[in-house]
Amino acid sequence: GAVVSQHPSWVICKSGTSVKIECRSLDFQATTMFWYRQFPKQSLMLMATSNEGSKATYEQGVEKDKFLINHASLTLSTLTVTSAHPEDSSFYICSARDRKKGQETQYFGPGTRLLVL
Amino acid sequence: GEDVEQSLFLSVREGDSSVINCTYTDSSSTYLYWYKQEPGAGLQLLTYIFSNMDMKQDQRLTVLLNKKDKHLSLRIADTQTGDSAIYFCAERWAGRRALTFGSGTRLQVQP
Repeated sequence: GAVVSQHPSWVICKSGTSVKIECRSLDFQATTMFWYRQFPKQSLMLMATSNEGSKATYEQGVEKDKFLINHASLTLSTLTVTSAHPEDSSFYICSARDRKKGQETQYFGPGTRLLVL
Repeated sequence: GEDVEQSLFLSVREGDSSVINCTYTDSSSTYLYWYKQEPGAGLQLLTYIFSNMDMKQDQRLTVLLNKKDKHLSLRIADTQTGDSAIYFCAERWAGRRALTFGSGTRLQVQP
């Protein structure tokens, strides 16, 4: 089946630093990728939709200057958490839609756990 | 806006059937999904159903959709300890490419 990877799988950083998380579709091309955030024991909340070659679309309440998204190729989207604070600590999960398949397919990465000290 | 609700917890004995329920509010949902999340891991797509279907079966999994009541269920036959996880239902509604997730149901399978 289709594989989506994320790197790193976990990261610990100091408050005020920036962290970049990569999301890659390994065996398919994805014009659209999605970034979700999951707090402990809670559901996934969509943060933004990443579009290849154009600006990301952010959900209401998500600061685009704090969560920078770049979708430079059909297989890679990056999420950069700028000036991270402890409240940014969370589990970040990306998903990708195979451009050659139907709207119903969306494959999720394994997630990146971020801890900001 | 859309809203997806699930019960938080379900406990069953190994070998029994598990039924996880989900309700949603948006009548324009096109696809409905079931995902499994094991501790510390990402989401694994179990199955999905198109909104014009009533039922879909895939090995031990049976999905039932009652579109009139906006109710979705996932039945796991012969539940095993390896099925212990959090199960999320999600919907994708017309005009939106991302998914809206329920709060997740923690399934505990007792030996």
